[in-house]
Amino acid sequence: GENVEQHPSTLSVQEGDSAVIKCTYSDSASNYFPWYKQELGKRPQLIIDIRSNVGEKKDQRIAVTLNKTAKHFSLHITETQPEDSAVYFCAAVASWGKFQFGAGTQVVVTP
Amino acid sequence: DTEVTQTPKHLVMGMTNKKSLKCEQHMGHRAMYWYKQKAKKPPELMFVYSYEKLSINESVPSRFSPECPNSSLLNLHLHALQPEDSALYLCASSQPRTGVFGELFFGEGSRLTVL
Repeated sequence: GENVEQHPSTLSVQEGDSAVIKCTYSDSASNYFPWYKQELGKRPQLIIDIRSNVGEKKDQRIAVTLNKTAKHFSLHITETQPEDSAVYFCAAVASWGKFQFGAGTQVVVTP
Repeated sequence: DTEVTQTPKHLVMGMTNKKSLKCEQHMGHRAMYWYKQKAKKPPELMFVYSYEKLSINESVPSRFSPECPNSSLLNLHLHALQPEDSALYLCASSQPRTGVFGELFFGEGSRLTVL
């Protein structure tokens, strides 16, 4: 089955700096890669996603890149703000209904 | 309305109790999911319903029994649970378009404690 590895497990950044989270997946049939943000005590919420026919997607301060050959995808957050502090989960989807989540990255943005 | 509503928000039950978790969405989504999430861990898939039919069961113990009465409602019946079943139970929904995977919309979860 699908296996998704996510690094780092924790990430501390100064406000205004950039944050990068990386994921690798194993199933070459994966073709949908969403990123979810989960604040403490809250539900996971989609922040950006990318499909396999696209290499990069950007939405304001957030961008995702996908390298299908290497089976890597990454989340980039620029100009980080304290409200970006949360746990971020990547996921890869190879077959319908089965969102395989990475282990999560705790991001802490210090003022 | 882009909400998935779960009740109750908190539930404490003994190992001999029978209780149910409820989930409701009015986005017209035809796929509904139950996930289990332990602290500092990712959501772990339990069940998926597609068009009110159970399509995925991730080898979940029979003490968890899902039910999908209609396209808007999803229940999770709990019986004879163990303390290790204590977790946040998340309901989610999505629109299953053939060949295209869609966004999961999560509810706020039901925090379950088994004594």
